Amino acid sequence: GAVVSQHPSRVICKSGTSVKIECRSLDFQATTMFWYRQFPKQSLMLMATSNEGSKATYEQGVEKDKFLINHASLTLSTLTVTSAHPEDSSFYICSAGGRGGVISTDTQYFGPGTRLTVL
Amino acid sequence: AQKITQTQPGMFVQEKEAVTLDCTYDTSDPSYGLFWYKQPSSGEMIFLIYQGSYDQQNATEGRYSLNFQKARKSANLVISASQLGDSAMYFCAMREGPIIQGAQKLVFGQGTRLTINP
Repeated sequence: GAVVSQHPSRVICKSGTSVKIECRSLDFQATTMFWYRQFPKQSLMLMATSNEGSKATYEQGVEKDKFLINHASLTLSTLTVTSAHPEDSSFYICSAGGRGGVISTDTQYFGPGTRLTVL
Repeated sequence: AQKITQTQPGMFVQEKEAVTLDCTYDTSDPSYGLFWYKQPSSGEMIFLIYQGSYDQQNATEGRYSLNFQKARKSANLVISASQLGDSAMYFCAMREGPIIQGAQKLVFGQGTRLTINP
């Protein structure tokens, strides 16, 4: 139980294009989803928190117009990197918490991550 | 000030030995939760163990145990009988504030890279 999937696992795009990353909870209802960014050999940096049906809350310093987050249902959240540039290249990880199935209500369950490379 | 501090950037341990990964935290909130995650080279974050601030006993999950010393604000992870597959990055994380419905944001430490030698 408590499976979170991310798609795609890897993406390479040209500078200036937009990239959408999907995060799905497969066997529970994700009332809250989180998006993190991780640079090589560094820790996870929280970008934003999204609750189903409401606008995402962004961390200080994260551009909301650059990183669009949509949490349209209890099983799906998307992160769109708009007009991507090489400095946006990173490992993006989502996590989800919520209810149902075998999950613990206080635990975040992480997706496998998406490695974005912007040329 | 760092809310979560992991002072060991890297550790090398012989297979089958026990290993302790250090984590200290800083919060003034009486209600909080402490987590340990494992991140292998594939990148996924694997939940290992959780300790709530009001839990009286140290958490244990199989070969993992959490040495919770509240007065010292430390939450060290102990892995008994280490295995080659334990080689990975390990992150300590904290949730501040009481549990509300749904998960809450976590603050992560810088991580410790653990290498198990055969």
